[in-house]
Amino acid sequence: AQTVTQSQPEMSVQEAETVTLSCTYDTSESDYYLFWYKQPPSRQMILVIRQEAYKQQNATENRFSVNFQKAAKSFSLKISDSQLGDAAMYFCAYRSANTGNQFYFGTGTSLTVIP
Amino acid sequence: EPEVTQTPSHQVTQMGQEVILRCVPISNHLYFYWYRQILGQKVEFLVSFYNNEISEKSEIFDDQFSVERPDGSNFTLKIRSTKLEDSAMYFCASRNGLAVYNEQFFGPGTRLTVL
Repeated sequence: AQTVTQSQPEMSVQEAETVTLSCTYDTSESDYYLFWYKQPPSRQMILVIRQEAYKQQNATENRFSVNFQKAAKSFSLKISDSQLGDAAMYFCAYRSANTGNQFYFGTGTSLTVIP
Repeated sequence: EPEVTQTPSHQVTQMGQEVILRCVPISNHLYFYWYRQILGQKVEFLVSFYNNEISEKSEIFDDQFSVERPDGSNFTLKIRSTKLEDSAMYFCASRNGLAVYNEQFFGPGTRLTVL
């Protein structure tokens, strides 16, 4: 089975600064999707950004961007100009494009934004 | 914006009791999922459901678990005889099957505490 690893249980960033959250994964597949989900306290997970493995160009969504390194199986999330509302648990997730439809999640990174 | 909803937000039960966790997926979605997250651990896939039957399930989803879509709007997870180790956050998710990235939309979760 695929595994997703987030090696940073907690991170903090000063408001308006930039922070990068790490994610690595293990797979033998060549076609898959990668996602970052954000879970604010007591709220549901919402999609932040997604990446298709066959696309070399890194996805960006406003202040959120990824650094997708397929050979290294790395998928980090960069948050620029951090805002207080960015404080949340962030989950990295993997989904095969070919087999099944379940997501494989990492253990999450808790992000604190310091005013 | 449509959201996945879950009830109750917190369920406390005695070991050996049956519990039913309820979810209302987004109305035009066709695929439904349950995940769980034991405190401090990864979000784990339990089961996926499509066209009124289970399409995929994990090793966690044993005979104590069942799912049902009784009325075309609710999607339920039943645990027949709860164990202490069933204590976890349970997330429901849905997707419409048409999205290019097959994004899953998550509910806020039900925290199950087994005493």
